[in-house]
Amino acid sequence: LAKTTQPISMDSYEGQEVNITCSHNNIATNDYITWYQQFPSQGPRFIIQGYKTKVTNEVASLFIPADRKSSTLSLPRVSLSDTAVYYCLVGHIMNRDDKIIFGKGTRLHILP
Amino acid sequence: GAGVSQSPSNKVTEKGKDVELRCDPISGHTALYWYRQSLGQGLEFLIYFQGNSAPDKSGLPSDRFSAERTGGSVSTLTIQRTQQEDSAVYLCASSPGRMSYEQYFGPGTRLTVT
Repeated sequence: LAKTTQPISMDSYEGQEVNITCSHNNIATNDYITWYQQFPSQGPRFIIQGYKTKVTNEVASLFIPADRKSSTLSLPRVSLSDTAVYYCLVGHIMNRDDKIIFGKGTRLHILP
Repeated sequence: GAGVSQSPSNKVTEKGKDVELRCDPISGHTALYWYRQSLGQGLEFLIYFQGNSAPDKSGLPSDRFSAERTGGSVSTLTIQRTQQEDSAVYLCASSPGRMSYEQYFGPGTRLTVT
């Protein structure tokens, strides 16, 4: 499984665009990149998944460069309610004995 | 439609007692996962079910932990002889089809062992 590295914490202000970058230098050819959001006292929520270039949905955009060794989750015009922990995961449809690894994520704090 | 539900939402138990945690996945989801999250930590993967079978139980922290799934739906995670280090939030998730990184999580059960 590809190891991921992401910042421990980030601060930003309401209305700003926030970019959280995840490094995954040993990503495999079949691996996808998946991001989750977790609010306090809740289970994680799937945000977005991508393989290459750019993926956009109603919540976020995911930018993946050609070498796929990193990815950037972009949250447009954040609000206070976007304060959460964001997890980056790398992998693909799994083998029977694989284990999904969530790291400690990036704790995003939005300030008024 | 209904999401993943877990019960109880909170459980306080005395050290040494057994506890049973329940997960009701999204209807039709064949894959089911259990995780544990200690305070301020990331998620620790415990076990995965495809249908009723769990191919790999090695993620369970000790032999006091067991899990089963019946009828391809509801799953229970049982912790015998609970210890204080078992205190955590236990999260369940499900996904359609095979084991996947796109999972849908329940709200969790907060277990406190006193």
